[in-house]
Amino acid sequence: DIQMTQSPSSLSTSVGDRVTITCRASQNISSYLNWYQQKSGKAPKLLIYGASNLQSGVPSRFSGSGSVTEFTLTISSLQPEDFATYYCQQSYNTPLITFGQGTRLDIK
Amino acid sequence: QLQLQESGPGLVKPSETLSLTCTVSGDSISSTDYYWGWIRQPPGKGLEWIGSIYYRGYTYSNPSLRSRVTMSVDTSKNQFSLKLSSVTAADTAVYYCARIQSHVAVADTWGQGTLVTVSS
Repeated sequence: DIQMTQSPSSLSTSVGDRVTITCRASQNISSYLNWYQQKSGKAPKLLIYGASNLQSGVPSRFSGSGSVTEFTLTISSLQPEDFATYYCQQSYNTPLITFGQGTRLDIK
Repeated sequence: QLQLQESGPGLVKPSETLSLTCTVSGDSISSTDYYWGWIRQPPGKGLEWIGSIYYRGYTYSNPSLRSRVTMSVDTSKNQFSLKLSSVTAADTAVYYCARIQSHVAVADTWGQGTLVTVSS
């Protein structure tokens, strides 16, 4: 099984901050890495697929990078609506799916 | 506009079978480009993939749940379903259905989720 580990688990941040979340895979997954945002009480929403491709309609302050086993999600300037939990997900083993444990962004 | 809607009992007794249906509108469940999946989230915890089904009935499930999971698809109703047997309190969760792009396993559209509580 491919394990996905996110860091940090939580982060206290402020509006305007640049935020980076890391996701590490237990083995080489090439660029088969996706990122989701989940706001409280809502379903997850796809942000980035294939490690660096922005889903249609997602603001350009979100970006993704990385390959092989290490990936990052960056929010260039945090907005109030970005306080949420973020999950990475590997799709290398398609159709089997594994999520990271999540990273919660809190207001400092 | 694509929409997915979960339906089913919100309360299931321990040892019984949890049954949920996802109704798809705005797209055909017979599309060759997608799987249709189930993902759950226990209260306060992270996301866990349960399994996915292709319109032809091919199924793939999480090894940790495989022995208890049954999935089916009804193309005439544009619906797919999940059954999880022998439930315990650990199966209490919000259950989401989702459309998953078949070649890259990207869950691009999700239902709103439904809370299922396992309790006597």
